Amino acid sequence: DGGITQSPKYLFRKEGQNVTLSCEQNLNHDAMYWYRQDPGQGLRLIYYSQIVNDFQKGDIAEGYSVSREKKESFPLTVTSAQKNPTAFYLCASSIYGASGSSGNEQFFGPGTRLTVL
Amino acid sequence: QQQVKQSPQSLIVQKGGISIINCAYENTAFDYFPWYQQFPGKGPALLIAIRPDVSEKKEGRFTISFNKSAKQFSLHIMDSQPGDSATYFCAAYGNFNKFYFGSGTKLNVKP
Repeated sequence: DGGITQSPKYLFRKEGQNVTLSCEQNLNHDAMYWYRQDPGQGLRLIYYSQIVNDFQKGDIAEGYSVSREKKESFPLTVTSAQKNPTAFYLCASSIYGASGSSGNEQFFGPGTRLTVL
Repeated sequence: QQQVKQSPQSLIVQKGGISIINCAYENTAFDYFPWYQQFPGKGPALLIAIRPDVSEKKEGRFTISFNKSAKQFSLHIMDSQPGDSATYFCAAYGNFNKFYFGSGTKLNVKP
């Protein structure tokens, strides 16, 4: 059963804590992405990775960090530097650099809802 | 600069009616235009997508119309049902290795 899994589904953070959100995919996709979604808002790109051991900042990278040590895993750390982290976090993956009508399909995980206490 | 502009922000349609959501893009390097459907508390799901070499693509009740010269594309939901009530996002992708999303349209189909 292929897909993207995110854990945990709900996460609570105290002020000053770092927390890590997990994202795993078994679709054999090269590219992975992290988005932030605030209530009633669209998707904002935090970080993305096209290949293992490489990643790029998105539009709102400040206060976040990522790693890409394995093709199937792209964890996101929300650091204490992120002053307003309460949001819905979405991980996604897509085939990198492929041509053809199905080559750019991006699939999303179920999301992690992070709340600051 | 917003690369993809989506309208309307919200839409109310009667059951059986046609829902139409519009998007416009700036960069002619985009070559893939997907639409996503998102229910509350869930991740977006790919609904339908089009490439600029065709002007229309239909899958069941969902149709994308694409106007390359105007740099616009739209989603049409025929025979809208209450179960279609969700937020819809358009997106565009090119050779930048990332997707640009519209701001979303919240659709409410009234029974």
